[in-house]
Formats: sequence, C-alpha cells, structure tokens
Amino acid sequence: QVQVEQSGAEVKKPGASVKVSCEASGYTFSTYDIYWVRQAPGQGLEWVGCMNPRSGASVYAQNFLGRVTMTRNTSISTAYMELRSLTSEDTAVYYCVIQMPPDFWGQGTLVTVSS
Amino acid sequence: DIVMTQSPDSLAVSLGERATISCKSSQSLLYSSNKYFLTWYQQRPGQPPKPLIYWASTRESGVPDRFSGSGSGTDFTLTISSLQPEDVAVYYCQQFSRTFGQGTRVEVK
Repeated sequence: QVQVEQSGAEVKKPGASVKVSCEASGYTFSTYDIYWVRQAPGQGLEWVGCMNPRSGASVYAQNFLGRVTMTRNTSISTAYMELRSLTSEDTAVYYCVIQMPPDFWGQGTLVTVSS
Repeated sequence: DIVMTQSPDSLAVSLGERATISCKSSQSLLYSSNKYFLTWYQQRPGQPPKPLIYWASTRESGVPDRFSGSGSGTDFTLTISSLQPEDVAVYYCQQFSRTFGQGTRVEVK
C-alpha cells in the first residue's frame, strides 16, 4: 500500500532555509504528481506548489514564488521542498501529498521559525 | 487563480441531525465527462486532513455512508446525514488538488 515518510521537525532562525523530504513507497514514484500544503497553527490549509516527479517540472503558488524550490531524487523515491528566507510567518506543519486521487497525505513536518 | 469559498464558517448541529456545508468555486471545476475535480476533507485536531469525498461525489473507501457529496459546475455540498460525536472536526473543500476553502468547523449543539 502507499506510504509516505516525511522528515522530522525542524527549528530554524529567521532568514534561514529549510528542506523537507518526503519518501514515497508502495507505488511507482513517477506515476503521480506530488504537492505540498502547509498549515500554520490554528489556521487553514495553504497550497504551496506541485511537482511532476517524472519530468521534475514544478508549479508554485504565487505567495511562494522565488522562495520555494521542489525537487526529487527518483532513485530513492523522495521528493523535497526547500523554503528560503524564513520568517515567523512560515511556522507551520508542511504536508507532502501524493495526487492520486484520492490524494494521499503524509503525516506532516513541523517547521518552527524562531529567533 | 480559482478561489474557493465555504459556508458557513462554523456549524453546531444536534447529534443525529443533518449537517450541510456549501463550497463555491470562482470557476467551473469540470474535469471531464461530468467529473468535477472537487475533494472534501475532514481534519481532526493534531491529524492530517483525511479525504472523505473525491470527484465531488465519490466516497473514499471506509468512509461512512452518512457522508455524501453533491454538486456541479461551481456549487458543491457536503452533507452529513446524521451527525455522530466522531464527526466533530473541520471540513475543507479543495479544487483540482490545489487551493482550499477556508474550512467549516462542525460542533455538537
């Protein structure tokens, strides 16, 4: 069955970068797009962007243009999301989602930005 | 960009009663052949969102049949026919596996 393993919680200082990984298993990695969603504490769901694992092509939400990069390593079935120039507003749980449908969600990675 | 708007923002319903949540999109969510790319999620505290309904009306495996989705074009509805205690959660709609509505909190009256 499909499984998604996200990397562990991160604590970063303002201005730093964070790279979250998402290892997928139970299906052919290149078959389905992967997208990222974040959820700030007590807030709703915000779509960050998506990537085609076969081509590596990505589309990012307007709010994150210039600050986010999504990549993958197909040999280990792992996708990555890097977010740069972090501020306290980036404190959130970041979810990796396999677009199937129905979409399959990872458990999330808490990123805390604090000085 | 497609904007998703849910109503109401919160809803209090007695156990056993019906709960209805509306989701409107700024553009049609028609994908192909009468398939609409609209997904409903349930999120309980501390957990990732769980898909309930996809293609606007297809119930995910294991989801109780008291949950149903309907609608077309730009107007969609999630109905819980008989509210149970475990249904207390926040519900979100999502278009084309992209943007979400703002969420509707369902509580027991």
